[in-house]
Amino acid sequence: DQQVKQNSPSLSVQEGRISILNCDYTNSMFDYFLWYKKYPAEGPTFLISISSIKDKNEDGRFTVFLNKSAKHLSLHIVPSQPGDSAVYFCAARTTGNQFYFGTGTSLTVIP
Amino acid sequence: DAGITQSPRHKVTETGTPVTLRCHQTENHRYMYWYRQDPGHGLRLIHYSYGVKDTDKGEVSDGYSVSRSKTEDFLLTLESATSSQTSVYFCAIRSGAGGLPSYEQYFGPGTRLTVT
Repeated sequence: DQQVKQNSPSLSVQEGRISILNCDYTNSMFDYFLWYKKYPAEGPTFLISISSIKDKNEDGRFTVFLNKSAKHLSLHIVPSQPGDSAVYFCAARTTGNQFYFGTGTSLTVIP
Repeated sequence: DAGITQSPRHKVTETGTPVTLRCHQTENHRYMYWYRQDPGHGLRLIHYSYGVKDTDKGEVSDGYSVSRSKTEDFLLTLESATSSQTSVYFCAIRSGAGGLPSYEQYFGPGTRLTVT
């Protein structure tokens, strides 16, 4: 029973354009959401996060949007760069300090 | 980069043998986690620790045990390895300190385990 879902296994965008990665969740008790980036043969690295009391958080080229009523969050990368090519995981925290991850979206930025 | 290492980085073992994976941190972080990554499943939490000798189960804990006798080390043990435990295992740490919520985790490089 996947509580955090990333329904797009892969995404390709042109360099300079916007990348939008989506994530849906089912557990209304999640109170914090995070995005991680993962290169092959490495561990995930933290990218950006958002509390459930907010609807937007921005950090440079990365913006995360949260729509609690739809149980949906998205990561926007503008402009996309070839170095952004990686697998992106969304994650959600419950009280009790457990974290649930999505299955990941592989982003390819085409030069 | 957070000081977190995993050992071994690669291991091949036979079904039925015990296996222990080690996670070591130099950050003095309170929380430590073990995840496994499998195709189609993303990362799934196996066990986590919120202090020395304080551990709890995650969503896929069956067949695994953990121990944390020191702040810096978190061990994951497969008592009797099975082929279904072939996976990439990641350790992660989290501070939990500070006035504002800070839930980001820092991951180790992973251990690729193959059970034949």
